[in-house]
Amino acid sequence: SQQGEEDPQALSIQEGENATMNCSYKTSINNLQWYRQNSGRGLVHLILIRSNEREKHSGRLRVTLDTSKKSSSLLITASRAADTASYFCATDSTGANSKLTFGKGITLSVRP
Amino acid sequence: NAGVTQTPKFRVLKTGQSMTLLCAQDMNHEYMYWYRQDPGMGLRLIHYSVGEGTTAKGEVPDGYNVSRLKKQNFLLGLESAAPSQTSVYFCASSGQYGYTFGSGTRLTVV
Repeated sequence: SQQGEEDPQALSIQEGENATMNCSYKTSINNLQWYRQNSGRGLVHLILIRSNEREKHSGRLRVTLDTSKKSSSLLITASRAADTASYFCATDSTGANSKLTFGKGITLSVRP
Repeated sequence: NAGVTQTPKFRVLKTGQSMTLLCAQDMNHEYMYWYRQDPGMGLRLIHYSVGEGTTAKGEVPDGYNVSRLKKQNFLLGLESAAPSQTSVYFCASSGQYGYTFGSGTRLTVV
């Protein structure tokens, strides 16, 4: 079973608008990560937030984490057509061995 | 350039054939992983390794075997390919600064 569940499944916005994507998970985590995947390509790591962090920024990206609600959000500000891609959240659960569990992904389309 | 290299990038197999996918990393990472990605399913963990000589099952291990004889290499084997194994396979390694993924292997079983 997949740990992370992203919401919405698909999002279409106009260039310049902000995009907000949500992720919920089930078990305790060490950290939560967001990845981007362009069509037919590999995964690109965007940002990692640890379980003791609540918010993190990287350029136009802002990630929040609420461990009490087991949820995270990824905000992309001032979106660009080049942001069109699939976005995945992945959780690194607590336990002996580190391994990522991915959600099914969100398809983001940014219209020029 | 440091990173994770997967070979081959594309492969077509007939049902029942066998093959091995190779993953190589040059970052001295202890942990390595094999995932498969199917449409609408995200990535699912097949097997992983926490160090040279070790392997462990992930979420969807059936039909696959792995070996980690050298720290830098993680091999994924399909002994008797089935159409259900048509997928895109990603290898990854992880270290102190996070995960690095390979560019994927697109496998079609006909």
